[in-house]
Amino acid sequence: QVQLVESGGGVVQPGRSLRLSCAASGFTFSRYGMHWVRQAPGKGLEWVAFMSYDGSDQYYEASVRGRFTISRDNSKNTLHLQINSLRTEDTAVYYCAKGHSYGYQDYFDYWGQGTLVTVSS
Amino acid sequence: DIQMTQSPSSLSASVGDRVTITCRASQGISNFLAWYQQKPGKVPNLLISAASTLQSGVPSRFSGSGSGTDFTLTISSLQPEDVATYYCQKYNSAPHAFGGGTKVEIK
Repeated sequence: QVQLVESGGGVVQPGRSLRLSCAASGFTFSRYGMHWVRQAPGKGLEWVAFMSYDGSDQYYEASVRGRFTISRDNSKNTLHLQINSLRTEDTAVYYCAKGHSYGYQDYFDYWGQGTLVTVSS
Repeated sequence: DIQMTQSPSSLSASVGDRVTITCRASQGISNFLAWYQQKPGKVPNLLISAASTLQSGVPSRFSGSGSGTDFTLTISSLQPEDVATYYCQKYNSAPHAFGGGTKVEIK
């Protein structure tokens, strides 16, 4: 069955960097677009970034563009999110989510359990 | 960017009631609209795609409708296990914005 397992979260000081990972299994990773979604404590869902099946297309939410970088390694079935210049407002659970198809016009049919990022001095 | 607005932000209804949640897009998105259910402390779960296509395993009391800018999620007979926050999401183009959520409680 499809499994998405995030890692890399933790407590980090403002201005520092963090790299999140999502290990995928149970499906042919290289055929699907992948997304990151975050949820601040007690708040709603916020879409963050998308990468197409082959890495050729990337899209970002405006507030993170330039600080966040999404990437993937299809040989290792892994999705990454590099977060630089962390801000307190980046505190959230970060989920990776599998797209239903290969492109960006897609909804999310599977979600990981999430990894918590806490930005605090 | 297209904004997604849900209403109400919360509601309380009795078991067996018909519940309707509305989602409005600031511009037309055809039927590129999904609904997710997030139970307390859990991961979001896809209920409906393409505005009205019920996902496998989702109870038939859930239904979706709409196209363009106005969409609805209906629970025909509210059950205790439906207590959750419901989110709409557009996916016609990036950003894949979510609505603010509707928290559903039992009266």
